[in-house]
Amino acid sequence: AQSVAQPEDQVNVAEGNPLTVKCTYSVSGNPYLFWYVQYPNRGLQFLLKYITGDNLVKGSYGFEAEFNKSQTSFHLKKPSALVSDSALYFCAVRDAGNTPLVFGKGTRLSVIA
Amino acid sequence: DSGVTQTPKHLITATGQRVTLRCSPRSGDLSVYWYQQSLDQGLQFLIQYYNGEERAKGNILERFSAQQFPDLHSELNLSSLELGDSALYFCASSPQGRGGYQFFGPGTRLTVL
Repeated sequence: AQSVAQPEDQVNVAEGNPLTVKCTYSVSGNPYLFWYVQYPNRGLQFLLKYITGDNLVKGSYGFEAEFNKSQTSFHLKKPSALVSDSALYFCAVRDAGNTPLVFGKGTRLSVIA
Repeated sequence: DSGVTQTPKHLITATGQRVTLRCSPRSGDLSVYWYQQSLDQGLQFLIQYYNGEERAKGNILERFSAQQFPDLHSELNLSSLELGDSALYFCASSPQGRGGYQFFGPGTRLTVL
């Protein structure tokens, strides 16, 4: 069975500093990995995905994520955080095909001015 | 705007009642997924339909049911409602193809009093 772990409930970072939101996964076969962001009272917005290819994936709003197969990790990163990045971030995994996503519990990112 | 629409946005009802949540997927998407987001359980997959047929089932209670109609819209029916059913219910759709990611609707916030 697939699973995702987001070890941090909350991440605080100062504006302008780099940010990292951690995610590790477990899946049989090749993983399909995703990051979504949820702003207050909104649905989930897609940020980026890893299916195959380059281990460094670039996504929306300046975010990127690095796929590390040996560490089964897919950490979300941004070189310079903005206050507007404050939101709830979800890592998700699925296997091949249009199968349901398995989500982590989410990490609340707070960027302080 | 993801292109996935959900109605209603908010629903307040009493215990023991029955409600229907509606979802219209993005144009051309055949797969529809329902997820429940609650504070204690996080984001949980409920059920998936593909072109009118049930494709996968997750942690969906027997009191809950869903269907996808020929025009591809989907409805989630929740009956004998309990206080613990209060949550955000999201619908998502995805296009064909292995790399397709899921587009989420804005959600329906259900409050059971």
